[in-house]
Amino acid sequence: GEQVEQRPPHLSVREGDSAVITCTYTDPNSYYFFWYKQEPGASLQLLMKVFSSTEINEGQGFTVLLNKKDKRLSLNLTAAHPGDSAAYFCAVSEPGYQNFYFGKGTSLTVIP
Amino acid sequence: EAAVTQSPRNKVTVTGGNVTLSCRQTNSHNYMYWYRQDTGHGLRLIHYSYGAGNLQIGDVPDGYKATRTTQEDFFLLLELASPSQTSLYFCASSDLDRGPEQYFGPGTRLTVL
Repeated sequence: GEQVEQRPPHLSVREGDSAVITCTYTDPNSYYFFWYKQEPGASLQLLMKVFSSTEINEGQGFTVLLNKKDKRLSLNLTAAHPGDSAAYFCAVSEPGYQNFYFGKGTSLTVIP
Repeated sequence: EAAVTQSPRNKVTVTGGNVTLSCRQTNSHNYMYWYRQDTGHGLRLIHYSYGAGNLQIGDVPDGYKATRTTQEDFFLLLELASPSQTSLYFCASSDLDRGPEQYFGPGTRLTVL
């Protein structure tokens, strides 16, 4: 089955710095890709989604890059602020298949 | 946006006890899921369902039963709770026809003493 590896497990950056979280996956049929944000003590909120081919999505200060050739998905935060401190999870699924494969998460701390 | 609610939000029980966690979604989604979240493991799928009366086994089903009574309601049952089932449980829903995104409930923190 699909294997999703997320790195790094912990990331600490200063306010204004950039941060990059990366997920690699194994199944070339994977089609839907998601990033979720989980603030402390809260549920998972859908942050961004990317479908199909190499694609860039931007929003909320984040950029998502998908490279299907390398089977790599990344979440780039260009200028971190303390409100970005949270756990981030990538998720991968296949067309017609509603189950997600989640990465184990990255705990991001933004130091003021 | 999908609305998914869970109850109770916190639960403490003893080893061997019976626990039922409830989930309700109000957006007519066909798929519902139960996950557990543990440090170092991320989210792991316990059971899921694609409609009333349907149940599919997830990745970590041992010790759990589930039942989907209506399109809105999905229950997770722990009939002989063990300390290893101490965890944060999330319910989620999605609909294949409207997009693959899953929407999560607020979670239930279960402690088994």
